Amino acid sequence: GDSVTQMEGPVTLSEEAFLTINCTYTATGYPSLFWYVQYPGEGLQLLLKATKADDKGSNKGFEATYRKETTSFHLEKGSVQVSDSAVYFCALLTSGTYKYIFGTGTRLKVLA
Amino acid sequence: GAGVSQSPRYKVAKRGQDVALRCDPISGHVSLFWYQQALGQGPEFLTYFQNEAQLDKSGLPSDRFFAERPEGSVSTLKIQRTQQEDSAVYLCASSLSSGQTDTQYFGPGTRLTVL
Repeated sequence: GDSVTQMEGPVTLSEEAFLTINCTYTATGYPSLFWYVQYPGEGLQLLLKATKADDKGSNKGFEATYRKETTSFHLEKGSVQVSDSAVYFCALLTSGTYKYIFGTGTRLKVLA
Repeated sequence: GAGVSQSPRYKVAKRGQDVALRCDPISGHVSLFWYQQALGQGPEFLTYFQNEAQLDKSGLPSDRFFAERPEGSVSTLKIQRTQQEDSAVYLCASSLSSGQTDTQYFGPGTRLTVL
């Protein structure tokens, strides 16, 4: 069945460091891919998305490119801030369905 | 504008009690979803409504779980005779239409602890 695999956390970085959180997927057809962020005590918020191969989603300095050949959607940010500390979830939505398939989440801690 | 809201935010129940969790979706959103998020895991799909119709309940873990959305707006997830394994965060999400690629907007969740 469809699945999403994320790198395990926690990921601990110093402020202004470069961030990569790996995400790979297995899916039939052509899924849409998403990154959601969950700040402490809050619900999931959509961070960015890409709906077809080679699309790049971007928001708040975060980017991810839909790579069909490597079935990946890695999240990157050039310079993280303490306020980026949160749990990040990669998710897919298989074409023709409405059920998100989420990864297990990666906790990011950014130290001042 | 107002987002998805859920109440209560925290619920502690004794094993065997019934609980009811409420979701207020974004006004005008056609689709409503419930997910269960166990500790340290990603959310898992429970059920889907399009307006008042429950089109998919394949993710409900047992017949103790029941969801309704009688007027196509507010939804309630009810869990009867709660068990310890029901302890989780229950997330509600809504989307504007019934399109499969519609972005789902999530509420803050209800954290259920069953003692």
